[in-house]
Amino acid sequence: ETGVTQTPRHLVMGMTNKKSLKCEQHLGHNAMYWYKQSAKKPLELMFVYNFKEQTENNSVPSRFSPECPNSSHLFLHLHTLQPEDSALYLCASSQTGNSGANVLTFGAGSRLTVL
Amino acid sequence: GQNIDQPTEMTATEGAIVQINCTYQTSGFNGLFWYQQHAGEAPTFLSYNVLDGLEEKGRFSSFLSRSKGYSYLLLKELQMKDSASYLCAVMDSNYQLIWGAGTKLIIKP
Repeated sequence: ETGVTQTPRHLVMGMTNKKSLKCEQHLGHNAMYWYKQSAKKPLELMFVYNFKEQTENNSVPSRFSPECPNSSHLFLHLHTLQPEDSALYLCASSQTGNSGANVLTFGAGSRLTVL
Repeated sequence: GQNIDQPTEMTATEGAIVQINCTYQTSGFNGLFWYQQHAGEAPTFLSYNVLDGLEEKGRFSSFLSRSKGYSYLLLKELQMKDSASYLCAVMDSNYQLIWGAGTKLIIKP
């Protein structure tokens, strides 16, 4: 496997369920990100991990809980979500600290539907 | 506030040329990115501009004018596979990426 892999690709859950999204990167990058993508809206940065340490939490509700056990894996734990949380959740990774562009490599996303 | 503007949707004909514009107002500037996203797939990196001028990569070119807060992505010899959304993003003075809502490009035969 190469690049950034996200599972599951599709998830339907009720508001009382608990589920997790998983992201794995095989690029040796030191930073990983969770983004929310809603139709016709800009990407919303949710969380950033740099060398496994969380460096960004953009006022995300506590019903979203990230976990980064190592620099290759990132999880997003979901519980008691709301219908407005239905969206595409994108994981990305990058190699920070280099001069020049910090190019993100994205996964294909997990399409979440909250009923 | 910080803002990126790009057209919501554009239509072009196979074989033609299309220009997708992006204007921005941000707190500082540390580069502008273009990404391509096919439906149901990951966004993929197309280009990065940090200095004024035109960067060419095959059929795709990206232009930047920092004084005007303006960029465009130029796609030549359009192919059906170019049907996708094109995302513009600017890195501000805090090295945060500010994203536009994307431009959906529809290519017709």
